[in-house]
Amino acid sequence: QQPVQSPQAVILREGEDAVINCSSSKALYSVHWYRQKHGEAPVFLMILLKGGEQKGHEKISASFNEKKQQSSLYLTASQLSYSGTYFCGTGREYGNKLVFGAGTILRVKS
Amino acid sequence: GAGVSQSPRYKVAKRGQDVALRCDPISGHVSLFWYQQALGQGPEFLTYFQNEAQLDKSGLPSDRFFAERPEGSVSTLKIQRTQQEDSAVYLCASSLYLLSGRGYEQFFGPGTRLTVL
Repeated sequence: QQPVQSPQAVILREGEDAVINCSSSKALYSVHWYRQKHGEAPVFLMILLKGGEQKGHEKISASFNEKKQQSSLYLTASQLSYSGTYFCGTGREYGNKLVFGAGTILRVKS
Repeated sequence: GAGVSQSPRYKVAKRGQDVALRCDPISGHVSLFWYQQALGQGPEFLTYFQNEAQLDKSGLPSDRFFAERPEGSVSTLKIQRTQQEDSAVYLCASSLYLLSGRGYEQFFGPGTRLTVL
């Protein structure tokens, strides 16, 4: 089943913070976060694994609540370049594919 | 190094035509994925290859969709007798390892935007 992302859209001014959430009804092993700009490939941001391991860009922070099967992506001191659609993809431990949410549109204004 | 490339970037087809979409993964990547992305939606899994073996095709919407990766590198997604509901962006992704669910990154291509008239 597709994970649920919230909010669907958010508008920020430069320098403001935002939190994007991803929630699943199924037990997860990993949560993958991507950002996609219009007409471009999704770009990897971060992976969070069951057990606490994280892999990703230093300037991005996120959390994974294993009990609630929820992940949150924290965007601080937002820049214009942060604009785009953010997707979470969820993975099972012995699974190959990712199941993606519908996305959160983020727009940062100057 | 080069990333994942896809061609063509845009394809317009008349309903009923066959189309072939190409994906060049990152060299050496074992896993290759095809996703379909409808407007305003996240990527939806279609099929998965481990080298040349198609291990999961559970996401292919109908038997009009066919994918191959004969030499374990380049892959082609073929859609026969295209319908209007096939209009979408088709994304290809590759990964160095198996089991993306265990936390291995997938690298995406820019996609092919298919419009069926």
